[in-house]
Amino acid sequence: SQQGEEDPQALSIQEGENATMNCSYKTSINNLQWYRQNSGRGLVHLILIRSNEREKHSGRLRVTLDTSKKSSSLLITASRAADTASYFCATGSDYKLSFGAGTTVTVRA
Amino acid sequence: EPEVTQTPSHQVTQMGQEVILRCVPISNHLYFYWYRQILGQKVEFLVSFYNNEISEKSEIFDDQFSVERPDGSNFTLKIRSTKLEDSAMYFCAGNTIPRDTQYFGPGTRLTVL
Repeated sequence: SQQGEEDPQALSIQEGENATMNCSYKTSINNLQWYRQNSGRGLVHLILIRSNEREKHSGRLRVTLDTSKKSSSLLITASRAADTASYFCATGSDYKLSFGAGTTVTVRA
Repeated sequence: EPEVTQTPSHQVTQMGQEVILRCVPISNHLYFYWYRQILGQKVEFLVSFYNNEISEKSEIFDDQFSVERPDGSNFTLKIRSTKLEDSAMYFCAGNTIPRDTQYFGPGTRLTVL
């Protein structure tokens, strides 16, 4: 399976701090995507990083990809209460995404 | 910004009944997907669909499931005879090319009693 697995399972931080979560996967990938899910809601796409990319930024988000270690990280800088959510990595093949179990991030005011 | 929409937001049904979950993908998308998420578990792939054919399906997507794009805008998932274990959030997604970002709808929560 190409499934990503996130680490840690849960993270609690103070508003303004940075949050880092990691994703490991098992097989070669074409791309890796990060999604956010607020409780009981839909999946919001954050960033897609392709296998030939090493780092990507979007606003307060920074994603890295190390294909030699089969791992990726998502960094949220200067966290806000609105960042409280579950974050999932998903590895992409031709016609599907394989999701990990997610990291639940709680940002305390 | 265009969005994927899904109806209904919540469906309650009796075991053994048929349900149809509806999705309206973004208009320029060509590839469509269904995923489900049982409460507290991972998001699981069900099926992908392109050019009126299934491209790939998972083991979950057995004979009780079917998908259809009955017109130019709707994409449906039918469960013929629902089971208790079908209770989950069902997400529709789409993109313009495979391997690209998939855009998800808000989901339909299916409760089978």
